[in-house]
Amino acid sequence: DAGVTQSPTHLIKTRGQHVTLRCSPISGHKSVSWYQQVLGQGPQFIFQYYEKEERGRGNFPDRFSARQFPNYSSELNVNALLLGDSALYLCASGSTGTSGYTFGSGTRLTVV
Amino acid sequence: AQSVTQPDIHITVSEGASLELRCNYSYGATPYLFWYVQSPGQGLQLLLKYFSGDTLVQGIKGFEAEFKRSQSSFNLRKPSVHWSDAAEYFCAVGSNSGNTPLVFGKGTRLSVIA
Repeated sequence: DAGVTQSPTHLIKTRGQHVTLRCSPISGHKSVSWYQQVLGQGPQFIFQYYEKEERGRGNFPDRFSARQFPNYSSELNVNALLLGDSALYLCASGSTGTSGYTFGSGTRLTVV
Repeated sequence: AQSVTQPDIHITVSEGASLELRCNYSYGATPYLFWYVQSPGQGLQLLLKYFSGDTLVQGIKGFEAEFKRSQSSFNLRKPSVHWSDAAEYFCAVGSNSGNTPLVFGKGTRLSVIA
């Protein structure tokens, strides 16, 4: 079984640009969550989607948005990029109940 | 407020020595507790999790953790560390309702010396 797939693995953007990150969950998982991990810190929750509906949002500005598609894959969009948005963006998929979350390898975003 | 504290930023142990990484949590509901490991530039790999039942849980790679409700702790242990265990370790807490965001600690970096 394929794990959680994220693309791209790395990218470099300029301040003010827009970026779209993609995530494909484990087959059968209906929940996708996004986390931001700044260097030297633990992951911080950004969004959670379940069955294509937003179920939770962390303390991030409106420049951050996300959506989940009918096949349960997800996109994270960030507008008007700032230098401080440079981070590893992690996607996690989960099923119902107590199975916990499986994380992808992340997308390393560098804003210059 | 929900929070996780990992008091040790960096720990160095000798290969073959025992290891204990500390984790304390603050959570209003019955917590679900997790330990993840992250190698440089990689995502998070689940080591073990606690939901209920036996307070000593076994995980992958020879790791175990003990849930102590009275101390709000969930410390990770390994009896004999291998050089390949060098990585960043994160403790996380979630709710028992499932499908809720995880709150992570800031991590503990483990270095292993010969």
